[in-house]
Amino acid sequence: DTEVTQTPKHLVMGMTNKKSLKCEQHMGHRAMYWYKQKAKKPPELMFVYSYEKLSINESVPSRFSPECPNSSLLNLHLHALQPEDSALYLCASSQSVLPWAPGNTIYFGEGSWLTVV
Amino acid sequence: GENVEQHPSTLSVQEGDSAVIKCTYSDSASNYFPWYKQELGKGPQLIIDIRSNVGEKKDQRIAVTLNKTAKHFSLHITETQPEDSAVYFCAAIRDSSYKLIFGSGTRLLVRP
Repeated sequence: DTEVTQTPKHLVMGMTNKKSLKCEQHMGHRAMYWYKQKAKKPPELMFVYSYEKLSINESVPSRFSPECPNSSLLNLHLHALQPEDSALYLCASSQSVLPWAPGNTIYFGEGSWLTVV
Repeated sequence: GENVEQHPSTLSVQEGDSAVIKCTYSDSASNYFPWYKQELGKGPQLIIDIRSNVGEKKDQRIAVTLNKTAKHFSLHITETQPEDSAVYFCAAIRDSSYKLIFGSGTRLLVRP
C-alpha cells in the first residue's frame, strides 16, 4: 500500500476564513511534505517534516501554518489567504528523511483543490 | 542551484507508437531522478525512477536512461495507449537535499 490520503478534495474559502487541509499515511514513512501546484506548473515544495519536526520551510508566508500531530498525520492550517493562493495542495511522504537515499521513494497524495474567493 | 529543463512541452503520438521525453539537469551532484505521471485532476504518480549508479532501467513498456556525462535523462514509452495520455514530470535531487527539482512538464496525448 503506497497511499497518501488527503482531505478535503475541494475547498472554497473566503479571505477571512480559517480552514485546514489534512494528510494521512500509514506506511510508516518518516518524512512528510507539503507541495503547492499552480495550473500547468510543476509542484513547488513548501514544507518538510522529518520525524514529526519541521525541517524545511521554503520561505512560505505565515498565513500557511503546518502541523504534524503524529507520525501519520500532517495538517496545513490556512488563514487570511489571498486569491493567488488558489492552487492544488499536495501532500507527499517518503520512508527516509533523506529523499535521495537508495531505495527511498516520494509518494504523492491526490491533492486538495483550494479556491480562495 | 539545480535547474531541470524538460522537452518537449507537448507531444502527440498515434496509439502504438513510441514517445520520448527528455530532461537535462545542471547540478552534477544530483543522484536520483524520478518520473511522475499526473492525470487530470489527480496527484503525481511515480512511474519509474533511476539513480546515478545505473544507466538504464526498464519496467514493462516504460524505460528511463541516464547519461551522467551529458547530464541528461530520458523517459521512453513504447506501444503507447490512450490511457498513457497525461502530463509527465521529470525531477532531480542531490545528496543532502530535501527538495525535488521538477521539470516544467510534458503533456502527452495518445491519439486512438
